Amino acid sequence: EVQLVESGGGLVQPGGSLRLSCAVSGFTFSSYAMSWVRQPPGKGLEWVSLISGSAYTTHYADSVKGRFTISRDNSKNTLYLQMNSLRAEDTAIYYCAKDRVVQGVIMHYFDYWGHGTLVTVSS
Amino acid sequence: QSVLTQPPSVSAASGQKVTISCSGSSSNIGNNYVSWYQQLPGTAPKLLIYENNERPSGIPDRFSGSKSGTSATLGITGLQTGDEADYYCGSWDSSLSAVVFGGGTKLTVL
Repeated sequence: EVQLVESGGGLVQPGGSLRLSCAVSGFTFSSYAMSWVRQPPGKGLEWVSLISGSAYTTHYADSVKGRFTISRDNSKNTLYLQMNSLRAEDTAIYYCAKDRVVQGVIMHYFDYWGHGTLVTVSS
Repeated sequence: QSVLTQPPSVSAASGQKVTISCSGSSSNIGNNYVSWYQQLPGTAPKLLIYENNERPSGIPDRFSGSKSGTSATLGITGLQTGDEADYYCGSWDSSLSAVVFGGGTKLTVL
């Protein structure tokens, strides 16, 4: 059974930092790209960042570029999101999501999602 | 402002059919696959349709997807109260090098 479990969310002051983790099981982690997707309270989905299975390729939304860093430890089956210079508008539930890969090609849609972790940026 | 455009809400009677539109451009829907997600209240999104019109195992054939040009459509037949949810379309945007979503559509089953 595929499982994705996020952790690391919480309350942080504007300008602060936070590191989210996503522990996965049930599939060969290193073979799949992973993404972070966030959802502000009462609002829609916003894709944040993607990392390939080998970590060779990363992509970021313009809204977080230069502030957030995605990484992974394939030996620990864990995905990370380092968030720096946090702003009020970063307040959201952060989901990790498994990207579908077909014959080595990242398909850019998400077949499994975690339950999310809430990040609140406020003074 | 979302890159993909969806109607904020749609409604239809139980047992009837509804469609949800998703409009984009040549840099996303026009040249890349479309996916659809269902988000029930208080839960994480779930993949409903991928590669424009494919259903993951376990998704009933009441749900269907189609694409034409730079627009896509999600269809749901035989509406049930359990279908009340928010629905999102998504696609890769080749110009932005980013996954883009629609703003979401809230489905109400009357």
